[in-house]
Amino acid sequence: TQLLEQSPQFLSIQEGENLTVYCNSSSVFSSLQWYRQEPGEGPVLLVTVVTGGEVKKLKRLTFQFGDARKDSSLHITAAQPGDTGLYLCAGDLTGGYQKVTFGIGTKLQVIP
Amino acid sequence: GAVVSQHPSRVICKSGTSVKIECRSLDFQATTMFWYRQFPKKSLMLMATSNEGSKATYEQGVEKDKFLINHASLTLSTLTVTSAHPEDSSFYICSARDLTGEIGETQYFGPGTRLLVL
Repeated sequence: TQLLEQSPQFLSIQEGENLTVYCNSSSVFSSLQWYRQEPGEGPVLLVTVVTGGEVKKLKRLTFQFGDARKDSSLHITAAQPGDTGLYLCAGDLTGGYQKVTFGIGTKLQVIP
Repeated sequence: GAVVSQHPSRVICKSGTSVKIECRSLDFQATTMFWYRQFPKKSLMLMATSNEGSKATYEQGVEKDKFLINHASLTLSTLTVTSAHPEDSSFYICSARDLTGEIGETQYFGPGTRLLVL
């Protein structure tokens, strides 16, 4: 079983549409990261959230950490083809990156 | 942001040979590096935690004699796949922990190494 459940696993949308990706767990995390990975490359860090209820914005991307620090969401406004990629959430259970666990990822395709 | 490099980016080897993969933190010192393995359409699976100056900590089910890790300096960790077999073919990714970033400690990933064992 996955410690971090991501949904949906696949998403294909038209350019300009909005979307939300979810990352859920029954465990409490000291921090949670969102990454974007292109095929054949390593993940690139988008954001780290630390405080329960925290909201961070990165241009058209909005990240929220749940109040209980068990879940997170990524919302993309007016998606563009350049947003296409695999979005991974990763949670740090113990702090200090001793054990970061990854979700299976959401594969996003934005069609022009 | 911080930069982590990996070398080689892809390697093809014969079954039974050993392959060494290097992971370097280019603009920061990393006392801890992590080695992951990613199967097609699967998430990243942590293999081991590499600590500078001490033995690596391996995750359950990962053979330490099969996957040798050496963290010789604060900017370099190596993963050696010994006596490689076709089932070792995978995408290997390292990451390094930066304690000095603006947001405090965070983890940066290398670009990955694609290993194909024939």
